[in-house]
Order: sequence, then C-alpha cells, then structure tokens
Amino acid sequence: QVQLVESGGGVVPPGKSLRLSCAASGFTFSTYGMHWVRQAPGKGLEWVAVISDDGNSKYYADSVTGRFTISRDNSKNALYLQMNSLRPEDTAVYYCAKDSFQLSSPGYWGQGTLVTVSS
Amino acid sequence: QTVVTQEPSFSVSPGGTVTLTCGLTSGAVSTSNYPSWHQQTPGQAPRTLIYSTNTRSSGVPDRFSGSILGNKAALTITGAQADDESDYYCVLYMRLGIWVFGGGTKLTVL
Repeated sequence: QVQLVESGGGVVPPGKSLRLSCAASGFTFSTYGMHWVRQAPGKGLEWVAVISDDGNSKYYADSVTGRFTISRDNSKNALYLQMNSLRPEDTAVYYCAKDSFQLSSPGYWGQGTLVTVSS
Repeated sequence: QTVVTQEPSFSVSPGGTVTLTCGLTSGAVSTSNYPSWHQQTPGQAPRTLIYSTNTRSSGVPDRFSGSILGNKAALTITGAQADDESDYYCVLYMRLGIWVFGGGTKLTVL
C-alpha cells in the first residue's frame, strides 16, 4: 500500500534553514508528481510546491518562492523540501502528498512533520 | 487575487444528505480546475475523497460524490454518518503550477 513518511521537522530560529524529506513506498514513485502542503496551527491547508515526475518542472506558492526549493531523487524514492530564510509564519505541519494524476491535485497524504520557527 | 470559497460550517442530521460547495470570488469553477476534496479530522492527516471533479479515491464509499453545480464544485454526502464529522477542504488548480485551497468547511453531524 502507498506509504509516505515525512521527516526533518523541528525547531529552528528565524532566518535559518531546514530540509524536509519524504520517503515514498508502495507505488512507482518515478511516475507521479509530488506536492508539499502545509497547515499552520489551528489553520487551514496551504499548498506550497509541486514537482513533476521527472523533476524537470517545479512550481511554488508566492509565499515561499525564492526561499523554498522542492526536489526529488527517484533512485531513492525520496522527495525533499529545502527551506531557507525561515520566518515565524512558516511554522506549520508540512505534508507531502502524491499527485492524483498528471499534476492535477494532491491525492494521497503522509502524516506530516512539524516545523516550528522560533527564537 | 482570486480566492477559493467554502462554507465555514455546515450541519447535517444522521442519515441526511448535505452538499458542500467550492467557488471562486472571480469566475466559475470548471473541470479544468480539477477540483478535489479532502477530509481531515482533528490531529490527523488529510484524506483525499474526490479528485478530478468526480473520481473517488480508492476505498472511499460511494455515498461521497463530486460534481460541478452551477459555477461551483460540489461534494455531496448522502446518508451522513457520525464519523463524517470532519473538516472538508477543496483545492483548485488555478493556472500553470498553482493550486489554491479553500478555507475549509467544518461539518457537524447531529
């Protein structure tokens, strides 16, 4: 069965960096786009970034453009989110999600990893 | 800036039918927005119910259905059950490489 396991969250001071990982299994990772979605405490879901199956296309929400970088390693069935210049408003649970099909929408979710940006 | 709109809250009686909607502050939702619906209970990860307007995800009961109603996407739950009490989020594909979530609907079953 599909499994997505995020890791790498933690507490980080403002302005610092953090790298999240998502280990995928149970499906042919290299044939699906992948999303990152976040949820601030007590708030709704916010789409963050997406990467195509081959890694050649990447798109970002305006709120993270220029600070976050999505990447993947299909040989390791792994998805990453490099987060630089972190701000307190980036505090959230970060979910990785498998795309439904052809970069249409998130379709299967991991359990999430909490990132707290605080001094 | 176009915003994705959802009812903040909704209530349904057990066994009843409820339709939640997902609209745009500017323009109509169409199948080209690939509307999808995601259910989330407190403290849990979201679960995808519907994608590409009306395709049910694996394992989702057929009492959940998606459609376009007028100028909005819609999620209909028939025969509501107590464990349907959750937050429901829609997300729309807005333009090249951009997806936007609605603010979510808190559904109460009572």
